[in-house]
Amino acid sequence: DTAVSQTPKYLVTQMGNDKSIKCEQNLGHDTMYWYKQDSKKFLKIMFSYNNKELIINETVPNRFSPKSPDKAHLNLHINSLELGDSAVYFCASSQAGTGIHEQYFGPGTRLTVT
Amino acid sequence: GDSVTQMEGPVTLSEEACLTINCTYTATGYPSLFWYVQYPGEGLQLLLKATKADDKGSNKGFEATYRKETTSFHLEKGSVQVSDSAVYFCALKSQAGTALIFGKGTTLSVSS
Repeated sequence: DTAVSQTPKYLVTQMGNDKSIKCEQNLGHDTMYWYKQDSKKFLKIMFSYNNKELIINETVPNRFSPKSPDKAHLNLHINSLELGDSAVYFCASSQAGTGIHEQYFGPGTRLTVT
Repeated sequence: GDSVTQMEGPVTLSEEACLTINCTYTATGYPSLFWYVQYPGEGLQLLLKATKADDKGSNKGFEATYRKETTSFHLEKGSVQVSDSAVYFCALKSQAGTALIFGKGTTLSVSS
């Protein structure tokens, strides 16, 4: 009964490759997010979608492209991977309109670019 | 802009010691405040939350009180266990915003 799931859990790839990370939530939430956690554990928002519409797009290289096929899914595609993209990527979801925006996180995808 | 400042870690304690992790914030209006915990190799779990001044969030023996006058949301526990060893993140969501803004995290290590 996983609430927010991500695949894969680990991703090792070479510079220049293109890769995707998938996220699914079964909580019925209408808002989903991608966060990046760097090697010092610092977490920063990358993107947010509400009802499949992009609402937050932080200063992220345009090599990163999120796609939300429906409210329950938010995927992250990364082109031309660079060493600096190595990090843990977390997907999260919440229900807008509650005023609290309590967010539920997935287990993370550890991306290593060699 | 909005920001969260947490005390630097790591924090090393013996089992049954008292814990305080300081967290202060800068935000306009009345943000919602959260503590998340990340156990080794896992994602973030919501530990507790508070949505207005003087609210006290509590869970698993941890507590934090939303102090508007000092813009603080310190995390406390009276008696820590080895199983509490993790990274703790203070976070806020502003009234106008959607995403969480996190502090840098504080690593807690509890030994028996």
